[in-house]
Amino acid sequence: QQPVQSPQAVILREGEDAVINCSSSKALYSVHWYRQKHGEAPVFLMILLKGGEQKGHDKISASFNEKKQQSSLYLTASQLSYSGTYFCGTFNSGNTPLVFGKGTRLSVIA
Amino acid sequence: NAGVTQTPKFQVLKTGQSMTLQCAQDMNHEYMSWYRQDPGMGLRLIHYSVGAGITDQGEVPNGYNVSRSTTEDFPLRLLSAAPSQTSVYFCASSYGVTYNEQFFGPGTRLTVL
Repeated sequence: QQPVQSPQAVILREGEDAVINCSSSKALYSVHWYRQKHGEAPVFLMILLKGGEQKGHDKISASFNEKKQQSSLYLTASQLSYSGTYFCGTFNSGNTPLVFGKGTRLSVIA
Repeated sequence: NAGVTQTPKFQVLKTGQSMTLQCAQDMNHEYMSWYRQDPGMGLRLIHYSVGAGITDQGEVPNGYNVSRSTTEDFPLRLLSAAPSQTSVYFCASSYGVTYNEQFFGPGTRLTVL
């Protein structure tokens, strides 16, 4: 079942901050975050695991609330290079595959 | 390492034709998957495999077949192409799912007339 992302789109000026949310109706084992530039393949940003462990990006942070079955991606002091579509992927149990949300389109302008 | 490779990059088919999209990885990954991407719909899972000889259906499997005879290759077959299958197709692989990043191929842009 697809996780739900919000907002669908956001426009920022350089230096501003943004938060992208991802929620699931099922218990989460892990949450993955990816960024896709126009015409390219998605690229890994980070993984958040049950229990608080994180793997991934130096300049982007995220949180994982297991009880609320939610994750948030925090983009601070945004740069033009942050523009793209951000996808969260959720992994619900040992027998289910990774399923992605519909994405959040982020545009950073000068 | 070449990573995840997909062929062809572009393909135009007529309704009713069949074809195979190729996907290969040289990282010895056990987990491989196929997604389709349509505007506003995100990445939707078609089929996936947790190892050679093991495949399972994802969210949108109808009209597609897969097989996994080797660890390296995971082809996607369109049995009888329909205009609704016009999309960009991505193959991805990883060591596992829960704790490991997915590596995506460059994608195949398919148009069905």
